[in-house]
Amino acid sequence: EPEVTQTPSHQVTQMGQEVILRCVPISNHLYFYWYRQILGQKVEFLVSFYNNEISEKSEIFDDQFSVERPDGSNFTLKIRSTKLEDSAMYFCASSEGGWFKIGTDSTDTQYFGPGTRLTVL
Amino acid sequence: DQQVKQNSPSLSVQEGRISILNCDYTNSMFDYFLWYKKYPAEGPTFLISISSIKDKNEDGRFTVFLNKSAKHLSLHIVPSQPGDSAVYFCAASLISNFGNEKLTFGTGTRLTIIP
Repeated sequence: EPEVTQTPSHQVTQMGQEVILRCVPISNHLYFYWYRQILGQKVEFLVSFYNNEISEKSEIFDDQFSVERPDGSNFTLKIRSTKLEDSAMYFCASSEGGWFKIGTDSTDTQYFGPGTRLTVL
Repeated sequence: DQQVKQNSPSLSVQEGRISILNCDYTNSMFDYFLWYKKYPAEGPTFLISISSIKDKNEDGRFTVFLNKSAKHLSLHIVPSQPGDSAVYFCAASLISNFGNEKLTFGTGTRLTIIP
């Protein structure tokens, strides 16, 4: 069964350093997402990406963050200058998109990767 | 941001019995409501969803009920099995003009099925 993969599984970095988190979405999916979960808190939406551009972003996704789809398979999240409060689990997700049936129970299911644990020291 | 709330951090249920997980929301504009299940060291896995204009959806052992007037939804698992032990997240989605669905999650309920 196709799955979303993420690398690395754990990233440790010093405050102020740049990090790039990598994701390989499911191959025929069109929508890509990043979420994060700070320890003990909710999973929070960061950004969605469609047709090679950001379609929506949250208040958390400030100028320190950027996303890119550098080739046909990878989807990356870059944090330019990491802060202690960026320590969290980062989840990538993807979905088929292109359709959803309003009024039915069929959402455009998002499939999540296993996550990258980012630790900022 | 308290748009989606799960007030029970944990729940223990005997194997074979019904598990009922609850969720409340505040934003009446949500398009869909979803339940995700999460095991340690894995990402959330989609379980079941319901449109905001429906009141019930069933898929095998899982049924989701939506009470719009109370802004409340629940997930029923029957019969409960040991493999159902996990953290369950309630989520709600808003569909943008671009077709993406932004998910807003609750804090999760840890379900433990007792053999």
